[in-house]
Amino acid sequence: GQQLNQSPQSMFIQEGEDVSMNCTSSSIFNTWLWYKQDPGEGPVLLIALYKAGELTSNGRLTAQFGITRKDSFLNISASIPSDVGIYFCAGPRPETSGSRLTFGEGTQLTVNP
Amino acid sequence: GAVVSQHPSRVICKSGTSVKIECRSLDFQATTMFWYRQFPKQSLMLMATSNEGSKATYEQGVEKDKFLINHASLTLSTLTVTSAHPEDSSFYICSARPGTGGTVSRRGYTFGSGTRLTVV
Repeated sequence: GQQLNQSPQSMFIQEGEDVSMNCTSSSIFNTWLWYKQDPGEGPVLLIALYKAGELTSNGRLTAQFGITRKDSFLNISASIPSDVGIYFCAGPRPETSGSRLTFGEGTQLTVNP
Repeated sequence: GAVVSQHPSRVICKSGTSVKIECRSLDFQATTMFWYRQFPKQSLMLMATSNEGSKATYEQGVEKDKFLINHASLTLSTLTVTSAHPEDSSFYICSARPGTGGTVSRRGYTFGSGTRLTVV
């Protein structure tokens, strides 16, 4: 079953606002991945984190790999309407030698113009 | 970059028939491909891991005789939903991972664009 707890489940924000979402796990992960999924499409990788404490940016997106290796957060600054979608955290399951991904429940983001 | 092509994007079939979904890695060789299922407003649930040249590994609760997986080459995996029923209607997504290049931990997972299956 799912090992990643993602919150919040949904967010309704105004254009220009900053957004923060996070994932926690009871297990240690060696890699954290953040994906965005548009309706009717597959997930697209936004940011990949490989080291505890790592802070990585991709444009207006910033993600961090928690020091305990059991959590990660994703921030979106100055949101725009095209940020709308579902955001998922994911990580390779530790017990599978890192080959199979587990996904969080997702955060549905709505941006009002 | 790594591109995964999934076909068809949408399919409607009659109950009792079988449907085949293809997943191709276009610019890299994928020794491992993964098949996911996603119900509306839910997360992706891994169904099975497809390994080139060997049998697929199915997750607990997934019927291997119903969801047939064939990883015939390093660039193609197929998922066949046999004797489809309305409850099999879902969004099926594949992902592929390069077999070589970079460290194992950094070989990214690229996803196809998904197949919307509707069984009527």
